[in-house]
Amino acid sequence: GAVVSQHPSRVICKSGTSVKIECRSLDFQATTMFWYRQFPKQSLMLMATSNEGSKATYEQGVEKDKFLINHASLTLSTLTVTSAHPEDSSFYICSTSRAALNYEQFFGPGTRLTVL
Amino acid sequence: AQSVTQLDSHVSVSEGTPVLLRCNYSSSYSPSLFWYVQHPNKGLQLLLKYTSAATLVKGINGFEAEFKKSETSFHLTKPSAHMSDAAEYFCVYNTDKLIFGTGTRLQVFP
Repeated sequence: GAVVSQHPSRVICKSGTSVKIECRSLDFQATTMFWYRQFPKQSLMLMATSNEGSKATYEQGVEKDKFLINHASLTLSTLTVTSAHPEDSSFYICSTSRAALNYEQFFGPGTRLTVL
Repeated sequence: AQSVTQLDSHVSVSEGTPVLLRCNYSSSYSPSLFWYVQHPNKGLQLLLKYTSAATLVKGINGFEAEFKKSETSFHLTKPSAHMSDAAEYFCVYNTDKLIFGTGTRLQVFP
């Protein structure tokens, strides 16, 4: 399967600061990247879908101004949590896909965000 | 609406004994269903997928799942558990996006 990396693997920040999480597709060009959120002992919830060079499509209930997604290249997408608050503490996971691989999604290892 | 329900939040087995992780789906048409496994500090990995071909699907690491339309089920099984199988398992409904079940934590005791 494809290799997807995320950086950082964990981050702790103060309330009110912004945090950027990177997602990289290491061995293929991903036309589409997805961002998920996973609360402790809960399932993954899709936050947004991003296609390279276009604006991300956010799921209902996800604040686009709070969770900024940039998909500037076929191998990199970033998620910025702006003005983070303790309730934003969660596990954020990205995935990549492309048509040539039947749109199968390949997942990164996740980033644990803790907002104090 | 399409959804999946994982009936057990935790399953504990002894090494060498069979594993059964249960999943039921809700769909008005023939679904596309996956099982993913999540190990700590690793990305989710696709175990197997059902896409309306054979009803018995074989996956990696000795896992398999059987699609039963009459029972709206897609249970995951393995004949003999290994310690390395301890992880979180997700049943997933595939539409234009992935809809995850709530997960089942599998513990394997020596």
